Amino acid sequence: DGGITQSPKYLFRKEGQNVTLSCEQNLNHDAMYWYRQDPGQGLRLIYYSQIVNDFQKGDIAEGYSVSREKKESFPLTVTSAQKNPTAFYLCASSIYGGLRTSTDTQYFGPGTRLTVL
Amino acid sequence: AQKITQTQPGMFVQEKEAVTLDCTYDTSDPSYGLFWYKQPSSGEMIFLIYQGSYDQQNATEGRYSLNFQKARKSANLVISASQLGDSAMYFCAIQGAQKLVFGQGTRLTINP
Repeated sequence: DGGITQSPKYLFRKEGQNVTLSCEQNLNHDAMYWYRQDPGQGLRLIYYSQIVNDFQKGDIAEGYSVSREKKESFPLTVTSAQKNPTAFYLCASSIYGGLRTSTDTQYFGPGTRLTVL
Repeated sequence: AQKITQTQPGMFVQEKEAVTLDCTYDTSDPSYGLFWYKQPSSGEMIFLIYQGSYDQQNATEGRYSLNFQKARKSANLVISASQLGDSAMYFCAIQGAQKLVFGQGTRLTINP
């Protein structure tokens, strides 16, 4: 089955720790995205990548870092510099980053819920 | 910059009734796309339907249809014959520069 997997489902972090959220896709999509969702809110873009070894900041990139060494993988690191990291994190992918036709629809993984203790 | 406004924080509908979820948007791009996603309590975002700004006809996907009124900048989602499984958050989104911009969402509850 093709799809997007995220792990872990739940993650707990102590103050001052860095944590890495995993996102893997086997859809052969070029573009991948990370979003953050706070309770009762819509999604906000953290980072996105249109091709391997290239990525761009989204609207709320401060305190986060990413890498894109393989087409299938786009891990997100939440660093200690992120002041309020408790949130639901969603990874998505699309065939390519143009978002100009329905074939460029973003498909989402199941999400990781991060809680800072 | 693109913006989405969803003015209905919550809606309650009887099972089997049709429901319309409102979405208005703002963009300066002449070409854009509009998306609707469903988010059940599990959290995953499920793609429902897409409308391109130059599409001549309103998009339909099974029980979902999009009432697209370009001059009014609205893209309302219509769900026909609602089911209990339709209870979820619904998000409208507009394609921006290499990204989607989401609204705040509408929580839909279907009552038996």
